[in-house]
Amino acid sequence: QVQLQQWGAGLLKPSETLSLTCTVHGAALSDYYWSWIRQSPGKGLEWIGEVNHGGSTNYNPSLENRVTISVDRSKNQFSLKLRSVTAADTAVYFCARNVIYYFYMDVWGKGTTVTVSS
Amino acid sequence: EFELTQSPDTLSLSPGERATLSCRASQSLSSSYIAWYRQKPGQAPRLLVYGASHRAPGIPDRFSGSGSGADFTLTISSLEPEDFAVYYCQQYGSSPTWTFGQGTKVEIK
Repeated sequence: QVQLQQWGAGLLKPSETLSLTCTVHGAALSDYYWSWIRQSPGKGLEWIGEVNHGGSTNYNPSLENRVTISVDRSKNQFSLKLRSVTAADTAVYFCARNVIYYFYMDVWGKGTTVTVSS
Repeated sequence: EFELTQSPDTLSLSPGERATLSCRASQSLSSSYIAWYRQKPGQAPRLLVYGASHRAPGIPDRFSGSGSGADFTLTISSLEPEDFAVYYCQQYGSSPTWTFGQGTKVEIK
């Protein structure tokens, strides 16, 4: 059974860098893309970006200038960095596996709550 | 920018009733690129339907998806207590690469 275990700092000050990591258990990074998605309080889902096992990335244009998603094949992990955070970045952040051919996200992490406050 | 619009925003129904949720895309797309999720409070979304009409493994047959072009529908034939939640449609392909609808909340009447 594939599981995604995510972790990272939950409280940040404005202008700091958000850093989250997702470890993949029960599957290899290859053959899939891996995404980060966030959900602001009381709001819907916003896709942040994705990475594959080779390190190729795609980002949401609305966040592209602040986001870096990377992969560590040796640890079967992928990570998110979001620079210069503001209160608007307060959200629950999820990692997920993307299935390609039919296009959907079939496995999700439990979510990490990140709060940006001075 | 590609958009998905779900309707209604809220659906008030009783257990055992039929729920029909709509998802309209701002442009036509392949049905392969449409999926539906259910999200319960405090949980991650769970995949229900992919490719517009294919149920995900372990999803009961009261859930069915249909549609083509720019209009897609998720139907729950008979609502169970665990089905009162928020439902999202999702598309792949147009910028941004992955887009979600704003969600439909199914609440107990």
